[in-house]
Amino acid sequence: GIQVEQSPPDLILQEGANSTLRCNFSDSVNNLQWFHQNPWGQLINLFYIPSGTKQNGRLSATTVATERYSLLYISSSQTTDSGVYFCAVKNTGNQFYFGTGTSLTVIP
Amino acid sequence: KAGVTQTPRYLIKTRGQQVTLSCSPISGHRSVSWYQQTPGQGLQFLFEYFSETQRNKGNFPGRFSGRQFSNSRSEMNVSTLELGDSALYLCASSLGRSENSPLHFGNGTRLTVT
Repeated sequence: GIQVEQSPPDLILQEGANSTLRCNFSDSVNNLQWFHQNPWGQLINLFYIPSGTKQNGRLSATTVATERYSLLYISSSQTTDSGVYFCAVKNTGNQFYFGTGTSLTVIP
Repeated sequence: KAGVTQTPRYLIKTRGQQVTLSCSPISGHRSVSWYQQTPGQGLQFLFEYFSETQRNKGNFPGRFSGRQFSNSRSEMNVSTLELGDSALYLCASSLGRSENSPLHFGNGTRLTVT
């Protein structure tokens, strides 16, 4: 299967700070998504981004498929951004593979 | 539009019993996939259904099975429960074939096996 590595594993930020989360994957993919899992366990889809750059408010993501990585940027972090961020990848006819996540804690 | 609905939210079972979990996808979504999440193994794919057909299956024993109905609702069943089956079980739906569709997750069913 596809190996998915996320870094850093843990991140503690002061409210208002910016951060970059990284996702590396071992094979070509045609589907890449970023999720936020809140403290209650719900996984929220942040971006469907197999390639290119997208922005949604304070969050943006970039995937460079040819170099097999994706970045999630969080600007002006808020306490509600706390939780675990997962990257998931897939290629044709295959299953989704999830990374081990980045646990983010935003301190007021 | 209602989101993905999973029932029940919590379940406590005894070793050896079996359990059935239910997932109702977002209206119009035809693909449903199931995942197991544990602290040790993270998020692992169980299986995916599209138009009542299992399209992919993860590396889980045969005790884990699923099905999808004509209305796209899906169930998964775990027989002969083991302590290690304690986990958060998540269901996700997508509009079409999951190669090019965003996944939308339900709130999950937290299963505890004693």
